[in-house]
Amino acid sequence: KNQVEQSPQSLIILEGKNCTLQCNYTVSPFSNLRWYKQDTGRGPVSLTIMTFSENTKSNGRYTATLDADTKQSSLHITASQLSDSASYICVVSLFSGGYNKLIFGAGTRLAVHP
Amino acid sequence: ETGVTQTPRHLVMGMTNKKSLKCEQHLGHNAMYWYKQSAKKPLELMFVYSLEERVENNSVPSRFSPECPNSSHLFLHLHTLQPEDSALYLCASSHGGNSPLHFGNGTRLTVT
Repeated sequence: KNQVEQSPQSLIILEGKNCTLQCNYTVSPFSNLRWYKQDTGRGPVSLTIMTFSENTKSNGRYTATLDADTKQSSLHITASQLSDSASYICVVSLFSGGYNKLIFGAGTRLAVHP
Repeated sequence: ETGVTQTPRHLVMGMTNKKSLKCEQHLGHNAMYWYKQSAKKPLELMFVYSLEERVENNSVPSRFSPECPNSSHLFLHLHTLQPEDSALYLCASSHGGNSPLHFGNGTRLTVT
């Protein structure tokens, strides 16, 4: 069954600290993996996309990694800021029936406290 | 501003009411989507339209009826909903393929 599991479900950290969010997937055939950030009361916004051949990709203080062998991805946030408080959603795309189908994780809710 | 606008932002309706959710995009995208987001659950795909044709209907009850009159507008018509239909309804658009989804800010629906 195609699934995306994220951990932890929620996380509280202090401003300025680093954190890492995990995403494990059982999706085949794999096409790509995206991380989205969803602020409270807003729709998700794409942070980064990773394809099968990419191991690491950065977007400012956000760094995503992908291990296609173990089917794991992580999102590392460096020097966290209050504005990083949001839900982070891992989305894996598979190519089926001639188009890309998206499998969503349930998200990790991050709270950054001063 | 995300480029995808949803109205209304909040909606409270009784189980016998009929209402519609509206989504508008000015990004030139050719695919539009309706998703349901419930607390602590993954987003659930409801409908996909590509070039104004419905290409996916994810076993959604008939009390939800989508309409895509043109490539910039998408509606979700609601009637005789149940309390368990209360959720955040998100509209998204994309160029298709591997391009990212651009989401609106959603309509928070409460069914009483």
